[in-house]
Amino acid sequence: SQKIEQNSEALNIQEGKTATLTCNYTNYSPAYLQWYRQDPGRGPVFLLLIRENEKEKRKERLKVTFDTTLKQSLFHITASQPADSATYLCASVDPKIIFGKGTRLHILP
Amino acid sequence: DTAVSQTPKYLVTQMGNDKSIKCEQNLGHDTMYWYKQDSKKFLKIMFSYNNKELIINETVPNRFSPKSPDKAHLNLHINSLELGDSAVYFCASSPRAGLAGYEQFFGPGTRLTVL
Repeated sequence: SQKIEQNSEALNIQEGKTATLTCNYTNYSPAYLQWYRQDPGRGPVFLLLIRENEKEKRKERLKVTFDTTLKQSLFHITASQPADSATYLCASVDPKIIFGKGTRLHILP
Repeated sequence: DTAVSQTPKYLVTQMGNDKSIKCEQNLGHDTMYWYKQDSKKFLKIMFSYNNKELIINETVPNRFSPKSPDKAHLNLHINSLELGDSAVYFCASSPRAGLAGYEQFFGPGTRLTVL
């Protein structure tokens, strides 16, 4: 079945370092991938979208890559701050809407 | 000036009851969605409407019935509630059908607890 897998274990990163989160998809080829941030008790908030023909996309301190050979997207936060602590969700949107379980990121001061 | 709003925020009810959750968006979007996020945090699409027309209906028990009176509103009615229905239900909207290329705006969620 079509799946999106994210490392569901918490990721602890020292403030100021780069955090890298992984999203792997299996049994299909999404045309787009989206990344969302979810804080406890709140709805997901859209961060970035990347198309399959784009290798990389940037927005301020955020960077997303899309590797169709590895069937993987990486999400990077550079110069991480404690305020970046949250759960980050990867989602594919075409042909099906599938969300990963998310990765909890803790930025340690 | 809330973009996507849901009511109620919390819902506690007994097994077998019928309940409704309401959602409204003021973004002028054509497409609205209902998601269920269970205790394991998986966010699963349930339904999607585009301009009041049902376009996505995932494998959801027919005890769940969405209703879209207009494109700004999408309500979810649940009959004969079961323990397994306990979850957080999120409403979302996007500018048009097909999420490709369009971000979704999520509501704050409704936490449903069935006792």
